[in-house]
Amino acid sequence: AQSVTQLDSHVSVSEGTPVLLRCNYSSSYSPSLFWYVQHPNKGLQLLLKYTSAATLVKGINGFEAEFKKSETSFHLTKPSAHMSDAAEYFCVVSDGDSGYSTLTFGKGTMLLVSP
Amino acid sequence: SAVISQKPSRDICQRGTSLTIQCQVDSQVTMMFWYRQQPGQSLTLIATANQGSEATYESGFVIDKFPISRPNLTFSTLTVSNMSPEDSSIYLCSVEWREGHYNEQFFGPGTRLTVL
Repeated sequence: AQSVTQLDSHVSVSEGTPVLLRCNYSSSYSPSLFWYVQHPNKGLQLLLKYTSAATLVKGINGFEAEFKKSETSFHLTKPSAHMSDAAEYFCVVSDGDSGYSTLTFGKGTMLLVSP
Repeated sequence: SAVISQKPSRDICQRGTSLTIQCQVDSQVTMMFWYRQQPGQSLTLIATANQGSEATYESGFVIDKFPISRPNLTFSTLTVSNMSPEDSSIYLCSVEWREGHYNEQFFGPGTRLTVL
């Protein structure tokens, strides 16, 4: 069984300050991990993914995440927040054990960016 | 990559009626998935639809309530049957895109359903 815990339901930052969205996972197998972003009334967009290659993964819009197996974490970071980053972010784990990717979503973290 | 469209984008329905949601992909894909996102909640997988076979439902979801069709490699429908206000959610379809060793799931824009 696999699960994802996003430690914060809401994160508030000021524009230009760093962003940290925390995610811990549990998986019986070597997992693939993803971060998706959902802007209001928009579809889900893949930010980045980890699939057992480099542990530091760079994504779109300046986001990156580091896979730490010892801590079972996959936190999402960005050095400087932009107003357009305000959205809901989902950490997702996939074990691919069933021959295709079964995704398990975290509960989401709403990122609020103030001027 | 894959581009996915869904119809309708939103609907308001009466209790006891049924709604069929369509999902169209611009490429042929083997696996399609249907998710539900209840208000303020995360996404929950309803079922996996493989072309040419019966859909596989997750725990808590049954075929009588959420019948799925998968007539070809670019199209699927999800029906929400005998609706109640608890079915008010966003319903999303997704596809698994594989190219060599690369795979990714792409999501449709969602169908926002309100049941009165």
